[in-house]
Amino acid sequence: AQKVTQAQTEISVVEKEDVTLDCVYETRDTTYYLFWYKQPPSGELVFLIRRNSFDEQNEISGRYSWNFQKSTSSFNFTITASQVVDSAVYFCALSEPETSGSRLTFGEGTQLTVNP
Amino acid sequence: DAGITQSPRHKVTETGTPVTLRCHQTENHRYMYWYRQDPGHGLRLIHYSYGVKDTDKGEVSDGYSVSRSKTEDFLLTLESATSSQTSVYFCAISDGRINQPQHFGDGTRLSIL
Repeated sequence: AQKVTQAQTEISVVEKEDVTLDCVYETRDTTYYLFWYKQPPSGELVFLIRRNSFDEQNEISGRYSWNFQKSTSSFNFTITASQVVDSAVYFCALSEPETSGSRLTFGEGTQLTVNP
Repeated sequence: DAGITQSPRHKVTETGTPVTLRCHQTENHRYMYWYRQDPGHGLRLIHYSYGVKDTDKGEVSDGYSVSRSKTEDFLLTLESATSSQTSVYFCAISDGRINQPQHFGDGTRLSIL
């Protein structure tokens, strides 16, 4: 069975601090994808990034960066110089194979609060 | 933005009543999913559909049924609502490829008193 763990339930930082959100996953599949979604206070779910199991290159997009390490089954998300608008719940998710409908297994989410 | 509309957006009802939530898409995607979101649990899959009249159970399917008579519509029914089904329900769509993200509707907040 697949599992995604986001051990940090809540994180609170002050604006301009860097913050890392942890994601650890379990799967027996050799081909899989990992995703991060953002849920701002307005409630919608916004796709941020995907990473496949064969690509361990880190990715940077503006103030956001992602570190995928297959050896530790982790896909961590770092926000550099955080801003109040980054306040949201962030979800990490793991895909199941296409034979299972490419279903997603989500972590419990991390509530990030960025204080001015 | 992906064309996904959930209705209603909010609903309050009483225990024991039937409830149907609707998800409508304009993307012609083959796959549609229903999730529920609860504190401490993230999002959990209830049911999904991989085509018209083709559906399968997810992790938390007890007490729920689904139907898909058209590509664009996926209905979630609570036959006899219980207070434990108070939740926020999200519909998602995708083309089914493992590398494609699912895109989500805005959610339905359901309260069962």
